Amino acid sequence: QVQLQESGPGLVKPSQTLSLTCTVSGGSISSDSYYWSWIRQPAGKGLEWIGRIYTSGSTSYNPSLNSRVTISLDTSKNQFSLKLTSVTAADTAVYYCARGLAAPGTRWFDPWGQGTLVTVSS
Amino acid sequence: EIVLTQSPGTLSLSPGERATLSCRASQRVSTSYLAWYQQKPGQPPRLLIYGASSRATGIPDRFSGSGSGTDFTLTISRLEPEDFAVYYCQSYRDSQWTFGQGTKVEIK
Repeated sequence: QVQLQESGPGLVKPSQTLSLTCTVSGGSISSDSYYWSWIRQPAGKGLEWIGRIYTSGSTSYNPSLNSRVTISLDTSKNQFSLKLTSVTAADTAVYYCARGLAAPGTRWFDPWGQGTLVTVSS
Repeated sequence: EIVLTQSPGTLSLSPGERATLSCRASQRVSTSYLAWYQQKPGQPPRLLIYGASSRATGIPDRFSGSGSGTDFTLTISRLEPEDFAVYYCQSYRDSQWTFGQGTKVEIK
């Protein structure tokens, strides 16, 4: 059973870069059957999709974050990562990593990591 | 960009009652690309329904999804104590994913 676990600094200063890693266990991140995503949730608010990456390295990002986001894969470590530059307090949220099926007609997220809280503050 | 509007914002019901949650899209959504999630406090979302009407593995049959085009519904036939949570719909189109703002189902 595949499991995902987010890790990274819980506190980031304004204008700096937020960096998170999602470690995948119980399955290979190199499988062509899946894509890998980041999703965030400010406290008490709804879910916001950040972006996704396929095993091929192909990425797509939320247009509202596009210029600040980079998602990458490290197949040797079975991990994928998120970098968000020039952060502000508005980027304070719980960040989730999640897996999706790459087959045609399938675009949902399952499973999800437990989430990690990132606070942007000086 | 597809905008998903969920209603009501909060649903106050008693255990055993039926819950009907709505998700309306600003543009047509393929039924293949409509999913529902349940989220409890301090937990990640859990996939309930995919393809608008298919239950995910391990999801009880009191949960059902329906709809097409721009109007989708999640129904919980008889609320169990563990069903009180926030529910989100999610759509996909043109390499973009969108979530609704959520419906909270609370104990009356």
